Amino acid sequence: AQSVTQLGSHVSVSEGALVLLRCNYSSSVPPYLFWYVQYPNQGLQLLLKYTTGATLVKGINGFEAEFKKSETSFHLTKPSAHMSDAAEYFCAVSEPGANSKLTFGKGITLSVRP
Amino acid sequence: GAVVSQHPSRVICKSGTSVKIECRSLDFQATTMFWYRQFPKKSLMLMATSNEGSKATYEQGVEKDKFLINHASLTLSTLTVTSAHPEDSSFYICSARGLRETQYFGPGTRLLVL
Repeated sequence: AQSVTQLGSHVSVSEGALVLLRCNYSSSVPPYLFWYVQYPNQGLQLLLKYTTGATLVKGINGFEAEFKKSETSFHLTKPSAHMSDAAEYFCAVSEPGANSKLTFGKGITLSVRP
Repeated sequence: GAVVSQHPSRVICKSGTSVKIECRSLDFQATTMFWYRQFPKKSLMLMATSNEGSKATYEQGVEKDKFLINHASLTLSTLTVTSAHPEDSSFYICSARGLRETQYFGPGTRLLVL
């Protein structure tokens, strides 16, 4: 079985500050890992994903994440927060295979202060 | 690429009526689509997995006779909420699975049952 833990429900940073959103997972096989962002009343947009290969993954809007197998983590970072980054962020894990489902964390709300 | 649309974006209906929501993959074919439900301030709850040309697989606790799913083509899946009641009011989101287990999400449908 797979699971995702996103500690805390809300992170607040100042504009221009580092953004760090934590994600830990459990999986019985080498996982695929994803970060999605959701703006109010909208669907989810894929930020980035890790499947195989390089463990540091770059995504859209300046975000990146690093897969650390030893720590079972896939934390999301951005060097400098922008006001437009304020949204809900979901980490998700999938086990490769036919009809494999995504398991989501409970999400973290990111607020950006002027 | 990898655009998924949903229609309608918002629907208000009377209790006891049925509502159909469409999910389309616009620029890729998807043998597998997923339907989720999201409550306010909550993560996504997988309702069912929709496979083209076969019956949907429902998650435990989801009534298959209430939430009818049809995946008649490689680009279209529909969710019909039958005999809707106020407790069915929610945000319904679909996704279509692309390469490497990546799910691409639609913009969501806000259902309000009066």
